[in-house]
Parts: sequence; C-alpha cells; structure tokens
Amino acid sequence: EVQLVESGGGLVQPGGSLKLSCAASGFIFSGSAMHWVRQASGKGLEWVGHIGNKAKSYATAYAASVKGRFTISRDDSKNTAYLQMNTLKTEDTAVYYCTSRGDGGDTPYWGQGTLVTVSS
Amino acid sequence: EIVLTQSPGTLSLSPGERATLSCRASQSVSSSYLAWYQQKPGQAPRLLIYGASSRATGIPDRFSGSGSGTDFTLTISRLEPKDFAVYYCQQYGSSPLTFGGGTKVEIK
Repeated sequence: EVQLVESGGGLVQPGGSLKLSCAASGFIFSGSAMHWVRQASGKGLEWVGHIGNKAKSYATAYAASVKGRFTISRDDSKNTAYLQMNTLKTEDTAVYYCTSRGDGGDTPYWGQGTLVTVSS
Repeated sequence: EIVLTQSPGTLSLSPGERATLSCRASQSVSSSYLAWYQQKPGQAPRLLIYGASSRATGIPDRFSGSGSGTDFTLTISRLEPKDFAVYYCQQYGSSPLTFGGGTKVEIK
C-alpha cells in the first residue's frame, strides 16, 4: 500500500522558517519525482514545487510565489522528501501536501497534509 | 504550463440527478494524466478518477471519467447527498502540476 505522510507543520511567525517532511512507502521512492502542493483555507490547490529523481539529477522547480524562499530536497536512503520554507509570509498559511505518481506510474498519490500557519 | 479551466463554477442539482463537470486544458495532457478529486470542507482531496477514466480504489461506479487530449468530463450518474462537494481536475503528466479552479456541486 502506498503511503505518503507529511509532518513538521505548525505555527511560525512571519519571517520565520519551517521544514516539512514527507515520508513515503509502498513504491520505488528513489525513482520518483516528488511534488509539494498547498491549499489555503477556502482556496484552490496550488503547486509549490518538485524534485526529480537521480536520473534527472535531482532537478528542482518552484512556483514563482515561493522561488528563492523555499527549497525542496530528498533523502532516498530514508524515502523522505523535504520542503524547507524560509522568510515565511502570512500568505504562506496553508495545508501542505506531498504528492507523487511514483516511478512511471499513472496513479497520483497524496499525503493527508500538514497545516502551516504563519502569524504573529 | 498547462492551464485547466473547469465549468461550470457551480452546479445546482437535486439528489438523483446526473451531474456533468467539464475540464478543458490549454494544451494536450500527456498520456491522459488527468485526475479528478472530490473535496469536502476540512478534508484532503479524495482521488476519484486517474488516467482520465480509471476509478480509484473504492470509488463507486456512479462516478465516471472520460475524454482525452484537451477535453475531459466527470459524470456522476445519480447524485447522492454525500456527493455534494467541490470537484477539482488536475493534470499530473508534466511539471508544474496544475489544477482547475473547481466546480462546486450544491443541493438545489
């Protein structure tokens, strides 16, 4: 069974930092691109960024709204992807999800999400 | 970036009626990597359809997906009270992942 489990969310002040984790199981993590998606309360779904697999040189890409502030990384030995969020703004408040369709799969898998609240 | 446009924005129907939701892409969606999700307040999106027409595990057969290329449809054959929610389409064949703005199916 495929599982994606996010953790690390919480309350942080504007300008602060937070690091989210996404622990994966049930599929070949090392061969899979991993994405982060967020959803502010009452809003739609917004892609945050992704990291490719080793064959893609772990290439990353980011939405314009987070570029230069957020960094995605991965540790294939731990089957875990990370989202480092710096210089957080109130508009970054959202539920953050990790998602992947695995290595060449056709089913998109999602975690349950972790809530990040940026507030003073 | 593939832009997805969902219509209508809101669909007002009664239980037992048929719902037809549309999702149009600005360019062809790779290998039909098109998914549909249902979302209720306070919950994570629930995968209904992937690969444009394959039902996810545990999804009842009143939900069906169709389409290819740039035009996709989610059909709910007979609405049940628990089906009233917001529905999103998503393309996951290329990065950035993109989502439609959602269709709210509300009780008439």
